Amino acid sequence: DTGVSQDPRHKITKRGQNVTFRCDPISEHNRLYWYRQTLGQGPEFLTYFQNEAQLEKSRLLSDRFSAERPKGSFSTLEIQRTEQGDSAMYLCASSPQTDTQYFGPGTRLTVL
Amino acid sequence: GENVGLHLPTLSVQEGDNSIINCAYSNSASDYFIWYKQESGKGPQFIIDIRSNMDKRQGQRVTVLLNKTVKHLSLQIAATQPGDSAVYFCAENMAAAGNKLTFGGGTRVLVKP
Repeated sequence: DTGVSQDPRHKITKRGQNVTFRCDPISEHNRLYWYRQTLGQGPEFLTYFQNEAQLEKSRLLSDRFSAERPKGSFSTLEIQRTEQGDSAMYLCASSPQTDTQYFGPGTRLTVL
Repeated sequence: GENVGLHLPTLSVQEGDNSIINCAYSNSASDYFIWYKQESGKGPQFIIDIRSNMDKRQGQRVTVLLNKTVKHLSLQIAATQPGDSAVYFCAENMAAAGNKLTFGGGTRVLVKP
């Protein structure tokens, strides 16, 4: 257990529905990252926060995706109007300013 | 995550033998490299890291070698144990790019008893 928690661990939804995932980082870490991982691939960067500021978003993050970290602690990732191609593992990681990223267990999303 | 090892190159190793996992990275400007281990249904777990000003770093039963000339990274696991069975990813990181990680394709390690 790295100290990074994610909720829920699994989510099954129907195409077109909205879903929201939560990540609670290690408390003293000011950087929080979201990645997406599909079967047989390494994780791909989506976005990251330093404290409450979202500093970078990948082109993978379409306008249906939004992430927030309102108080610089936990973060949420919302996907609107889900598509089957959104099915993946969504991973959260946290780190001190510039150092190793520690990953949570992930949220497995299945879009039917 | 679950079934993360599908379609990945696989290294089969006898319990007690040493394992060597190789990785080619893409960006010559990367300044920090990390090896992660991922078991089925879990997130990546940090194993060992190395900065670009080093060419070797040792941990407990693991050694990472960095060859910047050919942009190659390797992970050596000594006396491989059944608990080492997992998918292993290398990742590169550039401080100037916000430290976001770029992962390699992964290698599945199967330890035979």
